[in-house]
Amino acid sequence: ILNVEQSPQSLHVQEGDSTNFTCSFPSSNFYALHWYRWETAKSPEALFVMTLNGDEKKKGRISATLNTKEGYSYLYIKGSQPEDSATYLCASTGNQFYFGTGTSLTVIP
Amino acid sequence: EAGVAQSPRYKIIEKRQSVAFWCNPISGHATLYWYQQILGQGPKLLIQFQNNGVVDDSQLPKDRFSAERLKGVDSTLKIQPAKLEDSAVYLCASSTTREGLNIQYFGAGTRLSVL
Repeated sequence: ILNVEQSPQSLHVQEGDSTNFTCSFPSSNFYALHWYRWETAKSPEALFVMTLNGDEKKKGRISATLNTKEGYSYLYIKGSQPEDSATYLCASTGNQFYFGTGTSLTVIP
Repeated sequence: EAGVAQSPRYKIIEKRQSVAFWCNPISGHATLYWYQQILGQGPKLLIQFQNNGVVDDSQLPKDRFSAERLKGVDSTLKIQPAKLEDSAVYLCASSTTREGLNIQYFGAGTRLSVL
């Protein structure tokens, strides 16, 4: 079982602020790192999947980076909007998905 | 394409009762997963199916939980009898491989409260 950790556990930001959170994972036997956005009462939505050290992915105002040597990934949101309010989950995959506990983001209008 | 369908969305039962959840994966996805997400924790894999065969059920509490995927399409997860600590969101996912990577697609989950 892989120990995947996310921080912070929760975050409140004002609309328009930029924010970022961290996913830490064991760097040994790494295969891929996934980020999901999970809005209340909806399905978790896949945001990014990254495999290579130094990978950087972007989708609109959201971007993510990956450091496989030190075992972490950052998720950045630029100019947060109320619709960004959700729990952001990361998962490190070997032969199965190991999820972190998530970061709950609330964007205050 | 249609997503992963789960029902019911919410269920409230008393301890020692039985409950069943249903999942219909995305058409053509051979692999299906059931996860348990307890409040404050990340989703934990309960069981993984490849078509109608079990690939991994090492974390399934087999004394009370059972799952089946007859005909390799729909799946049901059953808890009998339920305990208070089974209160959680039960997520179903199905997966496909894209560029060599396993991409999982999730349903909206069933929120179970055991009183």
